Amino acid sequence: AQSVTQPDIHITVSEGASLELRCNYSYGATPYLFWYVQSPGQGLQLLLKYFSGDTLVQGIKGFEAEFKRSQSSFNLRKPSVHWSDAAEYFCAVASYSSASKIIFGSGTRLSIRP
Amino acid sequence: DTAVSQTPKYLVTQMGNDKSIKCEQNLGHDTMYWYKQDSKKFLKIMFSYNNKELIINETVPNRFSPKSPDKAHLNLHINSLELGDSAVYFCASSGGRENNQPQHFGDGTRLSIL
Repeated sequence: AQSVTQPDIHITVSEGASLELRCNYSYGATPYLFWYVQSPGQGLQLLLKYFSGDTLVQGIKGFEAEFKRSQSSFNLRKPSVHWSDAAEYFCAVASYSSASKIIFGSGTRLSIRP
Repeated sequence: DTAVSQTPKYLVTQMGNDKSIKCEQNLGHDTMYWYKQDSKKFLKIMFSYNNKELIINETVPNRFSPKSPDKAHLNLHINSLELGDSAVYFCASSGGRENNQPQHFGDGTRLSIL
């Protein structure tokens, strides 16, 4: 069964510092991979997605993520965070089969230190 | 121009009552979803419809009944509400049932059972 793990429940970084949020997945083949962001009181917004090809994908708001098959990871990065990046971040995995569902990780809450 | 809109935003009611949450999307998408997010931010799919056809039905109590009058609407009716139903319910839509389609989320309906 496919699953996704976000090992960090809460991360605090200083404004201007770099960020890396971890995501590991379990799946028999290369799945579709996503990162979503949820600001307080709002729904999820897609940051970026990986299906195939270049393993480094660029997203909105200056975020990028790198797919590493050998580590079954899809970590999210940003070189310099802004206070507005404080939010909950969800990694998600889905199979190629449209009959299956998208599985979301448990989320990582990002706080920004002024 | 709200892409995915849910009403109401907040719903406070007593145990045993029946309530409905409405969802509409103006993106022209074929597929719509209902998710439940618990107090720990864990997001789990409940239902998915494609062109008014049910395609995903997770193991949820049959007190929950989705209804899709047309492909732009997916409403959720809940009978005999219980304390454990307290959560934030998100509606989402995507361009197709394929899992590589990013999902667009509404802002959620916060349901509180007294």
